[in-house]
Amino acid sequence: DTAVSQTPKYLVTQMGNDKSIKCEQNLGHDTMYWYKQDSKKFLKIMFSYNNKELIINETVPNRFSPKSPDKAHLNLHINSLELGDSAVYFCASSQFMGRGADTQYFGPGTRLTVL
Amino acid sequence: KQEVTQIPAALSVPEGENLVLNCSFTDSAIYNLQWFRQDPGKGLTSLLLIQSSQREQTSGRLNASLDKSSGRSTLYIAASQPGDSATYLCAVGDGQFYFGTGTSLTVIP
Repeated sequence: DTAVSQTPKYLVTQMGNDKSIKCEQNLGHDTMYWYKQDSKKFLKIMFSYNNKELIINETVPNRFSPKSPDKAHLNLHINSLELGDSAVYFCASSQFMGRGADTQYFGPGTRLTVL
Repeated sequence: KQEVTQIPAALSVPEGENLVLNCSFTDSAIYNLQWFRQDPGKGLTSLLLIQSSQREQTSGRLNASLDKSSGRSTLYIAASQPGDSATYLCAVGDGQFYFGTGTSLTVIP
């Protein structure tokens, strides 16, 4: 069984569109994350959620909004897509969020291309 | 702000060699450090997690060490195999996680 899954795997869209990426984990973890990996392979955290509460919100444009309907899901909504949003987006989960956060488990990634 | 650096950026070794990957961080007030591997087009797989109170962790042919005071961690891979070819990333946790830019490893058969 897949521990952390994301859909879609690939997403190609036009500038200005609104899109969503879904993430689900079946590990029973209480914290989920979204990361962005740019073309230089640099990975940067965007958001994390613990018990439906936003814990970290890096300097990410407010066009990006995480939505967590329950503990097992953390979806990423992106409005008014821009060329610079093209990247690979990874979802991850872990137990025991906070300074002593446990091992993170990553999804396979969603490659977003904005034309 | 925490900055994480990994050296070298790329490494190519013949099969069977032992090798060391390096990770350095600027703020020693960390809570843990993780090493991951990333295969092309895939997500990250956690290899080892070292809590700030620990000096090292071992898993099979992998050994990771942590020296908080000097802001360094190393990942030692013994008897390298072609299947070890991947990008290795370290991530420092101090309330949030900061990733290095990775070392791309190629093990030549």
